[in-house]
Order: sequence, then C-alpha cells, then structure tokens
Amino acid sequence: EPEVTQTPSHQVTQMGQEVILRCVPISNHLYFYWYRQILGQKVEFLVSFYNNEISEKSEIFDDQFSVERPDGSNFTLKIRSTKLEDSAMYFCASNGGYNEQFFGPGTRLTVL
Amino acid sequence: QQQVKQSPQSLIVQKGGIPIINCAYENTAFDYFPWYQQFPGKGPALLIAIRPDVSEKKEGRFTISFNKSAKQFSLHIMDSQPGDSATYFCAAMRSAGQNFVFGPGTRLSVLP
Repeated sequence: EPEVTQTPSHQVTQMGQEVILRCVPISNHLYFYWYRQILGQKVEFLVSFYNNEISEKSEIFDDQFSVERPDGSNFTLKIRSTKLEDSAMYFCASNGGYNEQFFGPGTRLTVL
Repeated sequence: QQQVKQSPQSLIVQKGGIPIINCAYENTAFDYFPWYQQFPGKGPALLIAIRPDVSEKKEGRFTISFNKSAKQFSLHIMDSQPGDSATYFCAAMRSAGQNFVFGPGTRLSVLP
C-alpha cells in the first residue's frame, strides 16, 4: 500500500540554525500539507501546496517557513532560523484530490 | 468559527466497554468529518469519516454518529480492546483539498 514517507525521523538542531524536513508524498497525489504537533497538543495546520504553489497557510507559517517541491517526488519544509518553540512533531500529508489525507510518520524536531 | 471542540480530554474504559468521544463545530461550511487514531510516536491514521448528508456510519467496531442541526458528531468504539488505546482526533474540512482543522484529541486507555 502506498504511503507518505518522511526524513529524518528525528532532527536535533541549535537555535538559529536552518533545518529542512523532507517528505515523499504518495506518487499520484495532488495536494500536499505540513502540520505540526507540539508534544501533547493537537495537530495544527501549517500550509497546503497545490499546483506548485502555496494554496493556504496558517498564521503559524510566518516568514521563517518555506515549502518547496524541488522535483516530482519530494516536498520539503524549511525553517530558516529555528526557535525553541519550533520544537514539535512535523507531519507531512498528501491528498489525491478527494477528502482523505494520508499522513507520514512525522519528523521530531528538537531545537536546543 | 474554525475551531473544533472535543471531549473528553481523556477516557479510561474496561475491555469490552463502549467509549464515546464527542466533537462539535461551528463552521457550517465544513462538509467532511474524519476521525484519526494516533499511537505514540506515529502519525495520525484515518479511522473512519462521514459527510453531513448521513447521520451514522459504521465500519467494523467503529461508528460515527452525526447530528447536523446540533453541529456535533461522535465516535463510538464497540467492544473496545487494549489495542485501541491511543489518542483519537476528530477533524473537519471545508472541501476536498482543503486543510483539516483538528480537535484537541482524546487519550483513550482500554484496560485489560
């Protein structure tokens, strides 16, 4: 069964450093998303991406964040200058144009 | 308007019991309501979903009840098992391709 994959599973970085989280969505899907989940809290929407551009973003997704689909398979989330409060699980999801979103296993980001 | 409320925050039942988790929304533009199950360290996985044109949907031991006029929906787990112990999130979406708005989650523990 096709699945969304994410790398790395765990990323530790120093405050102020740039990180890139990588995702490979399901191959024939059209919509891509990033969500984050601070430990013990709910899953929060960050950004959605369709047709090679951002279709929607939340207030969390400020200028420190960017997304890219550099090739036909990868979908990345970049945080330019990480802050302590960026520590969270980051989930990538994809959607084939219908309702169901398939989530990846997540990347745990720890900012020291 | 964008919020989805969920209760209870945590729930403990004996094996074989029927835990019920409730969610409520305000935005009448929402038209797809999934439930996701999340195990520790894993991404959310779709359990069951419903659209507002039906009042109930059953898949195996999982049932969603939907009350459109009250803007509420609930998840029932029949004959619950210890393996059902997880965090359950309800969510809502406006239309295909849009992002999900998640409830805060319910941590379910099913005792043997």
